[in-house]
Amino acid sequence: EAGVAQSPRYKIIEKRQSVAFWCNPISGHATLYWYQQILGQGPKLLIQFQNNGVVDDSQLPKDRFSAERLKGVDSTLKIQPAKLEDSAVYLCASRTPGRGETQYFGPGTRLLVL
Amino acid sequence: KNQVEQSPQSLIILEGKNCTLQCNYTVSPFSNLRWYKQDTGRGPVSLTIMTFSENTKSNGRYTATLDADTKQSSLHITASQLSDSASYICVVSGALWGNAGKSTFGDGTTLTVKP
Repeated sequence: EAGVAQSPRYKIIEKRQSVAFWCNPISGHATLYWYQQILGQGPKLLIQFQNNGVVDDSQLPKDRFSAERLKGVDSTLKIQPAKLEDSAVYLCASRTPGRGETQYFGPGTRLLVL
Repeated sequence: KNQVEQSPQSLIILEGKNCTLQCNYTVSPFSNLRWYKQDTGRGPVSLTIMTFSENTKSNGRYTATLDADTKQSSLHITASQLSDSASYICVVSGALWGNAGKSTFGDGTTLTVKP
């Protein structure tokens, strides 16, 4: 089966600009996650979707971050305006019921904010 | 607060040698523990998953152990290869009734295998 797709792979922007990331999960996976991974740290959950509904967005900085999964398939994560501390890798992962807790991760988008 | 602590932070070994990575957690009630391998520039890939009733799980040269009483897990890599150079991340999920199935990620151990 095809894996989780993410784009772009790399993005460089200046602070106060906006940026958007796209994720296409594995076909049939109802659960989709966005993580932020700062260099040297483990992934930190930003938001979890079940189909097109939000399950957990408690750690999403809602003043600047937003995410949507309108049709329960693809998802976008947006940052507006970006800050220097947003420089990180943004990982998308998906999971399907019946496969335990295993999440399948995409390659990530590496963001550098200057 | 649920925590997952991994040690060592980094490790360098020679090709062909064995090594053991540690994971201590405070997540309770506990559902399962997973080990992921993350190559540089890539997303994490699942190696093993263990529920509270399992105390060992193997995947090729990787063997994970779990002691749910002491809340400790280890990942043992046998006969290391250059391709084992990566970050190894321990992830613990809380039981659905206690932590809504939330996962807590460790910061990983960076393993470097040298020829």
